[in-house]
Amino acid sequence: DAGVIQSPRHEVTEMGQEVTLRCKPISGHNSLFWYRQTMMRGLELLIYFNNNVPIDDSGMPEDRFSAKMPNASFSTLKIQPSEPRDSAVYFCASSLWGDTEAFFGQGTRLTVV
Amino acid sequence: TQLLEQSPQFLSIQEGENLTVYCNSSSVFSSLQWYRQEPGEGPVLLVTVVTGGEVKKLKRLTFQFGDARKDSSLHITAAQPGDTGLYLCAGAEAGNNRKLIWGLGTSLAVNP
Repeated sequence: DAGVIQSPRHEVTEMGQEVTLRCKPISGHNSLFWYRQTMMRGLELLIYFNNNVPIDDSGMPEDRFSAKMPNASFSTLKIQPSEPRDSAVYFCASSLWGDTEAFFGQGTRLTVV
Repeated sequence: TQLLEQSPQFLSIQEGENLTVYCNSSSVFSSLQWYRQEPGEGPVLLVTVVTGGEVKKLKRLTFQFGDARKDSSLHITAAQPGDTGLYLCAGAEAGNNRKLIWGLGTSLAVNP
């Protein structure tokens, strides 16, 4: 298996623009997690899905952030409008429900200028 | 908010030295995981500990879960340059093992 695939690897955008991050989980995994990592706050869980249904989105910072999982093999995290403080590395991870081991993608480094 | 404190934040040692890094909390976790993250990559799971007092070994790495399941340590024997990376601990909330609480990590550099 290719592992969790995220795109793009790097994104530079101007403040106010819409940003969409994409994730393909490992085939057969039914849980998907979106994380944000910064030096100051470390890894923060934004939202997680089980069987394509959002279970806990309490970590989503603001209404500017939204996440979807239209099917078992694809998820998006959208920021609209983006702000400089959204600059971070965003990770997607997947796992089997009931299994605590999460497999992470390589992340998307987002820079909002 | 539950917090996991990791210490030290940074560690730079010579190849062959031993080291211990710590992960502490005032809260009880149902399980605790250790990950290693290399630059430009996502974290990779090293071990999961579940039982208070549990000790697990992975080659030169020894992981211990505190008796009260509030803290953990990672000991590396005879460190090698390949051990360089960010070591993260993550605790699973009691009653909700899907939601991990993460420490900020210990950044380890092992110099040849």
